Amino acid sequence: GESVGLHLPTLSVQEGDNSIINCAYSNSASDYFIWYKQESGKGPQFIIDIRSNMDKRQGQRVTVLLNKTVKHLSLQIAATQPGDSAVYFCAENNYGQNFVFGPGTRLSVLP
Amino acid sequence: DSGVTQTPKHLITATGQRVTLRCSPRSGDLSVYWYQQSLDQGLQFLIQYYNGEERAKGNILERFSAQQFPDLHSELNLSSLELGDSALYFCASSPRDWLMNEQFFGPGTRLTVL
Repeated sequence: GESVGLHLPTLSVQEGDNSIINCAYSNSASDYFIWYKQESGKGPQFIIDIRSNMDKRQGQRVTVLLNKTVKHLSLQIAATQPGDSAVYFCAENNYGQNFVFGPGTRLSVLP
Repeated sequence: DSGVTQTPKHLITATGQRVTLRCSPRSGDLSVYWYQQSLDQGLQFLIQYYNGEERAKGNILERFSAQQFPDLHSELNLSSLELGDSALYFCASSPRDWLMNEQFFGPGTRLTVL
């Protein structure tokens, strides 16, 4: 069945450095992807999305890259801050039928 | 604060019982989504309603059901509860229908089945 996975379950970065969180997806028919951030004790929070007809999308301090050839998605966070510490989920959507989430990557920002 | 409210915040019950979780979407949002988050299964989409109608179904068990009422609030009903149903249940809402849509999540209901 469909599945979304992450290469790195945990990631530690120094404050001020850039973070890159990776995600592999298995369904080549997926046409929409989202990154969510979940802080401890809270619900997921939308960060950025990208459609399959795009390769890159930028937000405030975040960039999502989509490589359909190898079915890979990444989230780049510039100048990582302590407030960025959280679990990050990627999710894929297949023509609006279902959302499949990855297991999550925990990002720890070191002082 | 996303504007999505969920009640109760915590719920403890026994196996075999039935519970109802409630969600009020953000003002103006027509879509409501339900998710289950457990340690072993991660975050899973359960079901979506848009303006009272079911729009998409994910990994929702037959023992679970949901509905969206005319005032747009939604309820998730979980019956014949099992230990494995212990999880965080999130509701999310969005202004439009499913595809390519930012969703706003509530704080969740933590269900513990003993």
